[in-house]
Amino acid sequence: GNSVTQMEGPVTLSEEAFLTINCTYTATGYPSLFWYVQYPGEGLQLLLKATKADDKGSNKGFEATYRKETTSFHLEKGSVQVSDSAVYFCALGDGGFKTIFGAGTRLFVKA
Amino acid sequence: KAGVTQTPRYLIKTRGQQVTLSCSPISGHRSVSWYQQTPGQGLQFLFEYFSETQRNKGNFPGRFSGRQFSNSRSEMNVSTLELGDSALYLCASSSTGNSNEKLFFGSGTQLSVL
Repeated sequence: GNSVTQMEGPVTLSEEAFLTINCTYTATGYPSLFWYVQYPGEGLQLLLKATKADDKGSNKGFEATYRKETTSFHLEKGSVQVSDSAVYFCALGDGGFKTIFGAGTRLFVKA
Repeated sequence: KAGVTQTPRYLIKTRGQQVTLSCSPISGHRSVSWYQQTPGQGLQFLFEYFSETQRNKGNFPGRFSGRQFSNSRSEMNVSTLELGDSALYLCASSSTGNSNEKLFFGSGTQLSVL
């Protein structure tokens, strides 16, 4: 079945460090891929998405590229800020009416 | 435009009781999905409703049920509560529910079962 696997956290970085959060997926066909972010006490909000192979989603300095050959959608940011501290979820659309989420990766950024 | 509204924000119940959670989607959105969020498990899909019809259901026992009203508002019910049902329950809405659409989430209902 469809599933998403993302790196376990927490990830702790210093401000201005480079961020990578790994995400791989298992799916039939060509699912849409998403990254959502959850700030403390809030629901999730969409960070970026990609709908086909080699698409790059980007937003607020974050980027992720849909890699069909490696079934991956890793999240990257060149220089993190304290305000980026949150939980990040990788997700895929199953082609029907369900979005499947990974377990989430908590990011702590120290000043 | 108002966002997704979930009520109540917090709930404390005891084992064996039942609970009803409410979700009002963004105006114009006809699809509502429910998720259970627990530490370490991420978000587990409960069910999705569109125009008062359940189109998809996750792997949860029959104690978990839901419904959607003609104004797209949705409720979920958990009967005979167990300690393991303690979780953050999140509701999300979208226009059509197609899985390539962005989901808009509420802030959730934090349920504690004692």
